[in-house]
Amino acid sequence: EAQVTQNPRYLITVTGKKLTVTCSQNMNHEYMSWYRQDPGLGLRQIYYSMNVEVTDKGDVPEGYKVSRKEKRNFPLILESPSPNQTSLYFCASSLYGVVRYTEAFFGQGTRLTVV
Amino acid sequence: TQLLEQSPQFLSIQEGENLTVYCNSSSVFSSLQWYRQEPGEGPVLLVTVVTGGEVKKLKRLTFQFGDARKDSSLHITAAQPGDTGLYLCAGEDPGNTPLVFGKGTRLSVIA
Repeated sequence: EAQVTQNPRYLITVTGKKLTVTCSQNMNHEYMSWYRQDPGLGLRQIYYSMNVEVTDKGDVPEGYKVSRKEKRNFPLILESPSPNQTSLYFCASSLYGVVRYTEAFFGQGTRLTVV
Repeated sequence: TQLLEQSPQFLSIQEGENLTVYCNSSSVFSSLQWYRQEPGEGPVLLVTVVTGGEVKKLKRLTFQFGDARKDSSLHITAAQPGDTGLYLCAGEDPGNTPLVFGKGTRLSVIA
């Protein structure tokens, strides 16, 4: 089954404690991205990656890191989480290249609370 | 960054009513996608429109892409409680890479 898998689904952590949210897709998609979703602000892109070893900042990259060492994985790293990073996070993947109008497949989300 | 404005932000209607939600921009998009997101889940694609003026139907849902490819609408006929959710439009910028998402319309259909 084609899917994007995020882990964990729920996470409560304390300020400053480094954490990683994993994202994996099994569709051989080149393009992967991370979003955060907050009430009234919609989906905001944090980082995206066009392919292995290629990453770019989205609209709200501050306080986050990503890496793309393998095509299927795109982890999101919070080196020193702060309460304003409490949010619902989504990973997404899609084909990109010759065929441009392809859908974004989203993971089920990670609800992060930083206290 | 291009912006997509969705309206209304919230909509609460009775089962059986019709409704239209809008997605507008001052920019031209190569294509526009509509997603629905249910509580606790990620957004799921409903449709992609590509050609200016294009109309696509998905059962009781009708999607239209504006002639100038700057706006789109989603019309639901005889809404049902199962239509409840957050409807997001997303535009593909012809000159850039990431999808641009609107903030969404939260629809509640009351039985």
